Amino acid sequence: DTGVSQNPRHKITKRGQNVTFRCDPISEHNRLYWYRQTLGQGPEFLTYFQNEAQLEKSRLLSDRFSAERPKGSFSTLEIQRTEQGDSAMYLCASSLTGLNNQPQHFGDGTRLSIL
Amino acid sequence: AQSVAQPEDQVNVAEGNPLTVKCTYSVSGNPYLFWYVQYPNRGLQFLLKYITGDNLVKGSYGFEAEFNKSQTSFHLKKPSALVSDSALYFCAVTPTDSWGKLQFGAGTQVVVTP
Repeated sequence: DTGVSQNPRHKITKRGQNVTFRCDPISEHNRLYWYRQTLGQGPEFLTYFQNEAQLEKSRLLSDRFSAERPKGSFSTLEIQRTEQGDSAMYLCASSLTGLNNQPQHFGDGTRLSIL
Repeated sequence: AQSVAQPEDQVNVAEGNPLTVKCTYSVSGNPYLFWYVQYPNRGLQFLLKYITGDNLVKGSYGFEAEFNKSQTSFHLKKPSALVSDSALYFCAVTPTDSWGKLQFGAGTQVVVTP
């Protein structure tokens, strides 16, 4: 169990640019979640996948945001035309669901700063 | 709609003293409840969960939590706090019909002084 890995750890970009983050979940986990955390707040749910299927998206996920998990393994989160308000920590988590549901395990996040 | 409240922004405790971090929740049906801890510039680490059964749940690093259905609370406790317990603690809930997205509280900063 190597844990959930997120890359990059930090991303600084100018407003209007596109950014993409990657998440590698724990290998046997079938569910993968994306959350956003701003300073002084708890994480807010964005979206989650079961295998390659995107099962739910939050209304926080505007049309500038898109997430994929093409082969049911790693996932990418892309933000197009970034805005100041997108500055946050983006957290990925994974879990194993089934007869014995397991809690979500989180990566260390990608901190996005918009100049 | 489900929600989680952590009424204290910060809890201060002396090392060796008992630590309590409060959490109340609102969810339709029976909840799954969780506690996570976050250290600076890190992700969240799972501490413990309540699914069903015994109302007192034991978790990692000596932490435990008590589920109280009538008060809709799930307070985190540790009998003897350590300086290394200083961190940000989050309570979270998910409805039993959806082992999926977590709804988090705003977090409680715990400061343990030597």
